Amino acid sequence: NAGVTQTPKFQVLKTGQSMTLQCAQDMNHEYMSWYRQDPGMGLRLIHYSVGAGITDQGEVPNGYNVSRSTTEDFPLRLLSAAPSQTSVYFCASSYSGQGKVLGYGYTFGSGTRLTVV
Amino acid sequence: GIQVEQSPPDLILQEGANSTLRCNFSDSVNNLQWFHQNPWGQLINLFYIPSGTKQNGRLSATTVATERYSLLYISSSQTTDSGVYFCAVRRGGGKSTFGDGTTLTVKP
Repeated sequence: NAGVTQTPKFQVLKTGQSMTLQCAQDMNHEYMSWYRQDPGMGLRLIHYSVGAGITDQGEVPNGYNVSRSTTEDFPLRLLSAAPSQTSVYFCASSYSGQGKVLGYGYTFGSGTRLTVV
Repeated sequence: GIQVEQSPPDLILQEGANSTLRCNFSDSVNNLQWFHQNPWGQLINLFYIPSGTKQNGRLSATTVATERYSLLYISSSQTTDSGVYFCAVRRGGGKSTFGDGTTLTVKP
């Protein structure tokens, strides 16, 4: 049982390049989300999904796209990387709680450290 | 959206001391968690506690949902407790909101 797997762990991009951060979970969680954490700050929600085919924006969505074609995968795409997107990115998953007993919390991936130069 | 305030922002303790961290939130929630981010950046679930009290070893947490706050207690602190403690809340299946965290430093 791998939990939440994020790849890559480290990435350096040049300004204007695009890339996809991968996130996969094997717990059959409906809810998946992407956060960014800037130095000395808390986590800010980028995008989230409450199930396959359903995505929505979080607090800081600009410059990022997501899709959720399967329950397991929730990739985050940077369309044209900018230095302001230098950050550590965390993917998380949980049961959505809709219609279920809310007895579950988040599981986080180990993070992707992205530097845009 | 829901506002989450954590206090204190920073806390320095001597090993063996006890501490209480607080999380206030501005609206009713049905999902509240405490996390520990260790100095290597790894996020660890501590408690899922939308209401009531839970204990796990030296750590315990209490959430009073009607008064919109949660407390995390750390007893007999150890240097390995150092890091940042986050509170995160969510309503239903929607957006989640994290507080800015409490940075705990435990000195030997």
